[in-house]
Amino acid sequence: SAVISQKPSRDICQRGTSLTIQCQVDSQVTMMFWYRQQPGQSLTLIATANQGSEATYESGFVIDKFPISRPNLTFSTLTVSNMSPEDSSIYLCSVAFWGRTYEQYFGPGTRLTVT
Amino acid sequence: GDSVTQMEGPVTLSEEAFLTINCTYTATGYPSLFWYVQYPGEGLQLLLKATKADDKGSNKGFEATYRKETTSFHLEKGSVQVSDSAVYFCALIRTQGGSEKLVFGKGMKLTVNP
Repeated sequence: SAVISQKPSRDICQRGTSLTIQCQVDSQVTMMFWYRQQPGQSLTLIATANQGSEATYESGFVIDKFPISRPNLTFSTLTVSNMSPEDSSIYLCSVAFWGRTYEQYFGPGTRLTVT
Repeated sequence: GDSVTQMEGPVTLSEEAFLTINCTYTATGYPSLFWYVQYPGEGLQLLLKATKADDKGSNKGFEATYRKETTSFHLEKGSVQVSDSAVYFCALIRTQGGSEKLVFGKGMKLTVNP
């Protein structure tokens, strides 16, 4: 198993600014994912950030808007750039061990409000 | 594309009541199916899974059976407890471009009162 922590837990930001969300894991994991959960919606995968490769973005998400860093096997950041009110969401990171994508361990999420 | 549809919530039950949370899916082929649970203040965690038709996943008194003919994976528990208060997500796994990705339903919030 893995225990995930995220920082910040919540934030209120002005439009046009950027916020970097940190995800820390208590063990070394290969696979890491970033999701967005908009109000009343399901979780939507933003990107997959595996160790040793560039992040892979899902349709509708671009690196300029959501740059991701994965400097090592226990840490990742997601930046939400040039924010607008439509970016108000809960952002979640999760990890999985190789070959067990179905069993993801999630952080508690970062609740972002853009005004 | 692949998708999961869950019954809308929130739902409030009394302790020891019977619980059913409906989940249906649309997918190419027969994907593995999952239920995740998010307790207050915590991250989502895997509750149970089923990998093929007629499989029954079970954990913590919860059960769900993979029904191919109705493309369903309903979650049931015979007697809920206050500690079962959480948000429940149905999910399937999709293979795309050689990688696997989870596709989630919207989640359903359950509150159990003593």
